[in-house]
Amino acid sequence: GQNIDQPTEMTATEGAIVQINCTYQTSGFNGLFWYQQHAGEAPTFLSYNVLDGLEEKGRFSSFLSRSKGYSYLLLKELQMKDSASYLCAVMDSNYQLIWGAGTKLIIKP
Amino acid sequence: NAGVTQTPKFRVLKTGQSMTLLCAQDMNHEYMYWYRQDPGMGLRLIHYSVGEGTTAKGEVPDGYNVSRLKKQNFLLGLESAAPSQTSVYFCASKLGREGDEQFFGPGTRLTVL
Repeated sequence: GQNIDQPTEMTATEGAIVQINCTYQTSGFNGLFWYQQHAGEAPTFLSYNVLDGLEEKGRFSSFLSRSKGYSYLLLKELQMKDSASYLCAVMDSNYQLIWGAGTKLIIKP
Repeated sequence: NAGVTQTPKFRVLKTGQSMTLLCAQDMNHEYMYWYRQDPGMGLRLIHYSVGEGTTAKGEVPDGYNVSRLKKQNFLLGLESAAPSQTSVYFCASKLGREGDEQFFGPGTRLTVL
């Protein structure tokens, strides 16, 4: 079967760095996405990785290792507005997204 | 550009009633999707469309039907609502098949009593 695993909840302090991990087992791989979802709102796109390595975009970076079936999202200089759920999704061999349950990130002052 | 819009935003149904959720996008996207999101679970794909006049089943299609008569609109129908269909429904669209991001509508919160 297809499976995406990520921690249910994480807590971090304002101004700090946090790493949210995602491991996956899917039928085929055509890229991995990270989305941010604030409570009561729609998911919004953060990053896309299809090759191994680190992609940096401002305070957010995303890493992919295809051989390990592993990705992480790194958030630096945390702000209160970063409190949200972070969704990992893998595009499978049929180009459909398989979604993880999301990681709820709580930022404390 | 309005992006992706959904109507209604909230709805309460009684078991056995029917309803249609409307999704509209003004970005000329080919691909459109209907998901449901339940607590503790990832987004689950109900149905999707790869172009005007085409639809296909996703992971959890039972109890739902869809139509895409116009490129910009994707309708999700519940013929006979059940309490198990209580959920938040999101519509999404994207330009092409591969690495394009999906743009999401604001969601419809449906409660079936």
